[in-house]
Amino acid sequence: EAGVTQFPSHSVIEKGQTVTLRCDPISGHDNLYWYRRVMGKEIKFLLHFVKESKQDESGMPNNRFLAERTGGTYSTLKVQPAELEDSGVYFCASSQVGEAFFGQGTRLTVV
Amino acid sequence: AQSVTQPDIHITVSEGASLELRCNYSYGATPYLFWYVQSPGQGLQLLLKYFSGDTLVQGIKGFEAEFKRSQSSFNLRKPSVHWSDAAEYFCAVGPPSGTYKYIFGTGTRLKVLA
Repeated sequence: EAGVTQFPSHSVIEKGQTVTLRCDPISGHDNLYWYRRVMGKEIKFLLHFVKESKQDESGMPNNRFLAERTGGTYSTLKVQPAELEDSGVYFCASSQVGEAFFGQGTRLTVV
Repeated sequence: AQSVTQPDIHITVSEGASLELRCNYSYGATPYLFWYVQSPGQGLQLLLKYFSGDTLVQGIKGFEAEFKRSQSSFNLRKPSVHWSDAAEYFCAVGPPSGTYKYIFGTGTRLKVLA
């Protein structure tokens, strides 16, 4: 069974550009989560989807971040326009019943 | 405020030595408790979890953790460390409702000396 897959693994963009991160959860998992780790800090919750609906987006830092989950399958997280402080590792996780499974993360560097 | 504290940012141990990674939390109710590990280039992997019951929980790779309610702690232990255990370890707490809106600690990076 394939795990949670995130694309790309690394992205380097200039300040002001747009970046879209993608997460493919484990097939059949209704719950999908996005987290972010800024350098040296803790991993912080961004938002939670149940199927295609946003259940909790209390952790989204500002309106430059837009998350979608098409048809309750894969999810995208768009940052537009990117700022320097958006640099970090973005993790996606999915769950159904039981533990949450995490992807390997996307390392975003904004220069 | 809800928080998780991992006081040790870096720990170095010799292969074969015992290991204890500390985790303290602040949470309104007794949360669900987790330890995750991230090896280089890998995602976060669940080592073990505590929901209720026996306060000493066994996990994968020979790890165990003990929940101490009075100390709000959930320390991770391993009796004999292997070189492959070198990684970053994260303690996390989550609501007892079962959603995975975790609060993570800042992580402890483990280095293992041959």
